Amino acid sequence: EAGVTQFPSHSVIEKGQTVTLRCDPISGHDNLYWYRRVMGKEIKFLLHFVKESKQDESGMPNNRFLAERTGGTYSTLKVQPAELEDSGVYFCASSQVAGAVTDTQYFGPGTRLTVL
Amino acid sequence: AQSVTQLDSQVPVFEEAPVELRCNYSSSVSVYLFWYVQYPNQGLQLLLKYLSGSTLVKGINGFEAEFNKSQTSFHLRKPSVHISDTAEYFCAVSETGGFKTIFGAGTRLFVKA
Repeated sequence: EAGVTQFPSHSVIEKGQTVTLRCDPISGHDNLYWYRRVMGKEIKFLLHFVKESKQDESGMPNNRFLAERTGGTYSTLKVQPAELEDSGVYFCASSQVAGAVTDTQYFGPGTRLTVL
Repeated sequence: AQSVTQLDSQVPVFEEAPVELRCNYSSSVSVYLFWYVQYPNQGLQLLLKYLSGSTLVKGINGFEAEFNKSQTSFHLRKPSVHISDTAEYFCAVSETGGFKTIFGAGTRLFVKA
């Protein structure tokens, strides 16, 4: 069974540019989460999809961030325009049972975003 | 609001020695507790979780953790570590009935030969 995949693995962009990160969850997983880790700090929750619906987006930093999960399969996270403080590692995770925080989350390897 | 504090940012230890990685949490409601491990260039992997019942939880790779409600702690232990345990370990907490998982800042475990 394929795990959670993320693309790209690394992205280096200049301030003001746009970047789109992609996450492909494990097939059949209803829950999809986005997290971000700024260098050396805690992993912070960004948002949670149940199928195609946003269950909780309270962790999204501001309106420069837009997440979508059309059709309830893969998800994209767009940052537009990117700022220096957006640099970090963006993780995606998926779990099977809709809405169950106790269900094991499977993480992708992350996308390392560097904004210059 | 919940928070997680991992008391050590780095823990060096010799191979075959015991290790304890400390985690304290803060929450006004009942919680679920998790430990994850991240090996280099990989995603996080669940080591173990406490949902209810016995406060001593056994996980993969010989790790275990003990939930202490009075001290709001969930320390991770292994009686004898291997070089391959070198990784970053994250403690996490979720409110029961909630949807969000809050992570600590991580502890880097270095196992030396």
